[in-house]
Amino acid sequence: AQSVTQLGSHVSVSEGALVLLRCNYSSSVPPYLFWYVQYPNQGLQLLLKYTTGATLVKGINGFEAEFKKSETSFHLTKPSAHMSDAAEYFCAVMNSGGYQKVTFGTGTKLQVIP
Amino acid sequence: GAVVSQHPSRVICKSGTSVKIECRSLDFQATTMFWYRQFPKKSLMLMATSNEGSKATYEQGVEKDKFLINHASLTLSTLTVTSAHPEDSSFYICSARVFGEGPNTEAFFGQGTRLTVV
Repeated sequence: AQSVTQLGSHVSVSEGALVLLRCNYSSSVPPYLFWYVQYPNQGLQLLLKYTTGATLVKGINGFEAEFKKSETSFHLTKPSAHMSDAAEYFCAVMNSGGYQKVTFGTGTKLQVIP
Repeated sequence: GAVVSQHPSRVICKSGTSVKIECRSLDFQATTMFWYRQFPKKSLMLMATSNEGSKATYEQGVEKDKFLINHASLTLSTLTVTSAHPEDSSFYICSARVFGEGPNTEAFFGQGTRLTVV
């Protein structure tokens, strides 16, 4: 079984401030982890993913995330928020073997205040 | 990255009618596609897994006779909401998987379809 917990359904930051969106997962096998962004009435766009190798992963639009096995976490960060970052962000986990079903967190809506 | 096209992006239908949503992988072959439903302010709920040339696998609680899935080719899967009711109004998203190991594993999503049943 696998699950994802995103702490905070809404996060507000000032423009230029650090963005930190939290994600914790559980998985019975080594996980693949993803962050997706969704703009209103649109599908999901992949921001970044961790599968194997380096635990600090860099993605598009200046986002990065670090896989911490000991903490079962995969938090998303960006040093300086931009107005265009306002969207909903989903963390997701996929088992590295077998069925490869993707399980999503409940999402975090990021608001950027000018 | 790979492109998944979903059509229509928005549809309004009358209660009791059926609606078909298409999901196409434009530049790759997808033996497996996934259909999700997203409720307002909630996460994506996997409805079913669509396998080319075979029956779809539905998640627990999803009515297979109401949500008909057909995966007739390696690039097309369709979801038909039959006898739609207002409670079926939602945002439906399809996903296609590029299978591989490690870095080659990735899911691509369509743009979503906003269904409103009146």
